[in-house]
Amino acid sequence: EAGVTQSPTHLIKTRGQQATLRCSPISGHTSVYWYQQALGLGLQFLLWYDEGEERNRGNFPPRFSGRQFPNYSSELNVNALELEDSALYLCASSQGSGANVLTFGAGSRLTVL
Amino acid sequence: AQSVTQLDSQVPVFEEAPVELRCNYSSSVSVYLFWYVQYPNQGLQLLLKYLSGSTLVESINGFEAEFNKSQTSFHLRKPSVHISDTAEYFCAVTGISNAGKSTFGDGTTLTVKP
Repeated sequence: EAGVTQSPTHLIKTRGQQATLRCSPISGHTSVYWYQQALGLGLQFLLWYDEGEERNRGNFPPRFSGRQFPNYSSELNVNALELEDSALYLCASSQGSGANVLTFGAGSRLTVL
Repeated sequence: AQSVTQLDSQVPVFEEAPVELRCNYSSSVSVYLFWYVQYPNQGLQLLLKYLSGSTLVESINGFEAEFNKSQTSFHLRKPSVHISDTAEYFCAVTGISNAGKSTFGDGTTLTVKP
């Protein structure tokens, strides 16, 4: 069974540009979560999608957005990139939510120059 | 609101020594508790979880954690560590009534030395 896959593995952008990160959940998982892992800041919850809808959002500005497609894959968009957006972006999936275990992908490392 | 505090950012130990990684949480609601492990250049993997029932939970590779409701703690222990246990460990909580939002601690880097 394929795990959670994320692309690209690495992405380099400059300030003001837009970045798009993609995530494919484990087959059968309907919930997708995005976390930001910045150096020294731990994992910060970004977004939760379930059945195509945004269900919960962390304390991030609106330039962080995303969507979930009918096949449950997801996309995270970061507009107007700032230097402090440089981080490892982790996607996780689960069967539903709550007590369900999160299965994480290996992450996409975004570097903003 | 919920928060997680991992009391040690770095824990160096020698191989075959016991280790304890400390985790305290605060929450206004009942929670589920998790420990995840992140090996170098990999994503996070579930190590163990507490949902209900016995307060002592175990993983397949010898780690255990005990849920202490009065002290709001979920410390992770292993009686004898191996070099291969070197990794970053994250404690996480999910509010039973706040579905979908897991709050993670800042992580503890466990370094096992020969």
